[in-house]
Amino acid sequence: GAGVSQSPSNKVTEKGKDVELRCDPISGHTALYWYRQRLGQGLEFLIYFQGNSAPDKSGLPSDRFSAERTGESVSTLTIQRTQQEDSAVYLCASRANNEQFFGPGTRLTVL
Amino acid sequence: GNSVTQMEGPVTLSEEAFLTINCTYTATGYPSLFWYVQYPGEGLQLLLKATKADDKGSNKGFEATYRKETTSFHLEKGSVQVSDSAVYFCALSQGGSGGSNYKLTFGKGTLLTVNP
Repeated sequence: GAGVSQSPSNKVTEKGKDVELRCDPISGHTALYWYRQRLGQGLEFLIYFQGNSAPDKSGLPSDRFSAERTGESVSTLTIQRTQQEDSAVYLCASRANNEQFFGPGTRLTVL
Repeated sequence: GNSVTQMEGPVTLSEEAFLTINCTYTATGYPSLFWYVQYPGEGLQLLLKATKADDKGSNKGFEATYRKETTSFHLEKGSVQVSDSAVYFCALSQGGSGGSNYKLTFGKGTLLTVNP
């Protein structure tokens, strides 16, 4: 079947605006993760979903970041009042057994 | 907490050269270890993995051995090709009774460029 998809692939926004990033996991994968890849800083874990609940939100950097998942499928990561330091590639992954499958990412640029 | 330290790049090699990218980790218990690769313009994909001590993961001519005594998982390839040019990430995860929900902890990545 299809892999993990993310939209948009690129997003340019102005500082202070809100953005929503979408992830469609592989069908049937109940575990879903969001990561952030900032330039020169590697990948950082943001949040983990099991089904529609998020038992681990420990990586969210501030209360401007939130995420939800509905129908054990699509997940949306929302960043409110974006700041320049939020510029990064946001990656979504879904898991089967002990392997995570990554989407192509959304490149967010905050001007 | 868990952490992964990998050799900083960039690494530049000629085709057919031997490749080693060092990776060491800090974790409690027995994590699973991974190498992910990101080719130019593409998404992150799993290259190989090992889930217990002394396991060897291998794929596409790359291999890495899970060494618990040295907490290492070094990536090697005997003869690199131009098409191996990419960023390589070492990572670990823990789950089940070990906690951490299988979330991945990554190293910072190593950029490999292979010249013809």
